[in-house]
Amino acid sequence: DTGVSQNPRHKITKRGQNVTFRCDPISEHNRLYWYRQTLGQGPEFLTYFQNEAQLEKSRLLSDRFSAERPKGSFSTLEIQRTEQGDSAMYLCASSYRQGGYEQYFGPGTRLTVT
Amino acid sequence: GNSVTQMEGPVTLSEEAFLTINCTYTATGYPSLFWYVQYPGEGLQLLLKATKADDKGSNKGFEATYRKETTSFHLEKGSVQVSDSAVYFCALSDNAGNQFYFGTGTSLTVIP
Repeated sequence: DTGVSQNPRHKITKRGQNVTFRCDPISEHNRLYWYRQTLGQGPEFLTYFQNEAQLEKSRLLSDRFSAERPKGSFSTLEIQRTEQGDSAMYLCASSYRQGGYEQYFGPGTRLTVT
Repeated sequence: GNSVTQMEGPVTLSEEAFLTINCTYTATGYPSLFWYVQYPGEGLQLLLKATKADDKGSNKGFEATYRKETTSFHLEKGSVQVSDSAVYFCALSDNAGNQFYFGTGTSLTVIP
């Protein structure tokens, strides 16, 4: 078990471009969460999946954001038509019920929109 | 709605000093409470948790007690070390783990 992994670790893009991030959770974890974290703030919940079903979405998740978790394994988070305000660290976490929903975080993907 | 309020930092302490980082929460129902730690250049790691009132979570010399009457979950350590320098986040979740709410984080620096 190598923990939660995220790719890429860093992404620089120009405003208006689309970007996609990937998260690979711990293999036996059925829940997967996405968060956004800006400098000096705590993680803000975006969305979560239980297996392949997307069960909750924050109102922070505008229609330019979409997340998928095909087959209940890895997940992708896509941001379309990026804006400078999207610059942040995007965190992924996974958990499972038998663990009391304790979350294990990945290292994050840092997005910079120029 | 649910929210977490954390003591603002940064906090600077000398090695072996006593640490308290305050955390209070607002929640409906019976949330679970957590402290996460983020060391420089690393991801968030769970430090300790408590799932019901009066539970005490502990790990690596850190402790926090779930106080329903004061809606608090303060983090304490009797003697900090330089290696404890990190950012500490208080968090809560509903009891089904559907959403997590994090505080803004408290940066701790321990000097020798």
